[in-house]
Amino acid sequence: DIQMTQSPSSLPASLGERVTISCRASQGISNNLNWYQQKPDGTIKPLIYYTSNLQSGVPSRFSGSGSGTDYSLTISSLEPEDFAMYYCQQDASFPPTFGGGTKLELK
Amino acid sequence: QVQLKESGPGLVQPSQTLSLTCTVSGFSLTSYNVHWVRQPPGKGLEWMGRMRYNGDTSYNSALKSRLSISRDTSKNQVFLKMNSLQTDDTGTYYCTRDEDWGFDYWGQGVMVTVSS
Repeated sequence: DIQMTQSPSSLPASLGERVTISCRASQGISNNLNWYQQKPDGTIKPLIYYTSNLQSGVPSRFSGSGSGTDYSLTISSLEPEDFAMYYCQQDASFPPTFGGGTKLELK
Repeated sequence: QVQLKESGPGLVQPSQTLSLTCTVSGFSLTSYNVHWVRQPPGKGLEWMGRMRYNGDTSYNSALKSRLSISRDTSKNQVFLKMNSLQTDDTGTYYCTRDEDWGFDYWGQGVMVTVSS
């Protein structure tokens, strides 16, 4: 199975700040990398698919990039509703696997 | 619109069997794959298994001996059964739809506690 490692596990940040979350795969995943947001009530929302494509309705302040084994999610200017957990997930190889998560919290 | 909703008992005794139902609407189970994903309290997401659109199933190798996924297309339902439950099976269980662009719709999740 492909292992996904996210960093940092916790990210204190301020409103309006630009932040980046990293995700590294144990082997190349050819851009088959998705990002999800989980709110404290457990609701999971898809954000980005295939490295850099925004899901419908996702604000343009979210962006994704990367290639090979290294990928990142960037939020250009943090809004109050962005403080949540974020997970990366690969679907290049079965079974799908998730990163351990990054908690974006208010500084 | 597309919806998925998990249901099942909130409390299961150790060594017993967990039975969960994912009821879907807004799409056909014969056209989309549905997966089960779980999350222990305070931890990350773990993929459990998949019901493909054609009825085939796949399982997490770590759970394969205890896990079974089935469906009833006439009722738009996917079922999860997992036996020999232990306390570390406690968590929130989600069903989610699979598209070419990742898991595009998720249920709200159902919390399951394994305790006597």
